[in-house]
Amino acid sequence: AQSVTQLDSHVSVSEGTPVLLRCNYSSSYSPSLFWYVQHPNKGLQLLLKYTSAATLVKGINGFEAEFKKSETSFHLTKPSAHMSDAAEYFCVVSGGYGNKLVFGAGTILRVKS
Amino acid sequence: DADVTQTPRNRITKTGKRIMLECSQTKGHDRMYWYRQDPGLGLRLIYYSFDVKDINKGEISDGYSVSRQAQAKFSLSLESAIPNQTALYFCATSDPRDGYNEQFFGPGTRLTVL
Repeated sequence: AQSVTQLDSHVSVSEGTPVLLRCNYSSSYSPSLFWYVQHPNKGLQLLLKYTSAATLVKGINGFEAEFKKSETSFHLTKPSAHMSDAAEYFCVVSGGYGNKLVFGAGTILRVKS
Repeated sequence: DADVTQTPRNRITKTGKRIMLECSQTKGHDRMYWYRQDPGLGLRLIYYSFDVKDINKGEISDGYSVSRQAQAKFSLSLESAIPNQTALYFCATSDPRDGYNEQFFGPGTRLTVL
């Protein structure tokens, strides 16, 4: 069985400061991991994905995530937050039969000016 | 044009009514999915289809049914809508040749059941 825990339901940062969104996963398989972003009243957009090629994954808009197998974590970071980063972020694990996706509950990122 | 489209985008209906949500895709993917999103719960899988003749229940299929009319079309029906089916519904597609199952999402349908 697979599961994802996003450790913070809400994160608030000031514009220009670093962003850290935390994600732990559980998987019986060698997982694929994703971060998706959902801006208000919009669909889901893929930020980045881990597919075992490299543990540090770079995504769009300056985001990156590091896969740490020993800690079963896949935290999302960005060095400097921008107002346009305000959105809800989902950590997702895929694996097993059919490679179905299992979503975390989401983290809402607020960026203060 | 968007690769994955959903109609309608918004729908308000009454308890007991039959509702159909439609999804179309131009990506040529064999696999299609229906999810619902509720605040604080992320997205949960309702049904998925690996091809026109292969339809499977997800984790929350009770009260829902689906139809895969063609490779490009996957519809979700609520036979008798109830208020706790009020949610945001997403359709998604993926390419089975992608071993990592990256999924591509439609814009969502916001359904309100009164």
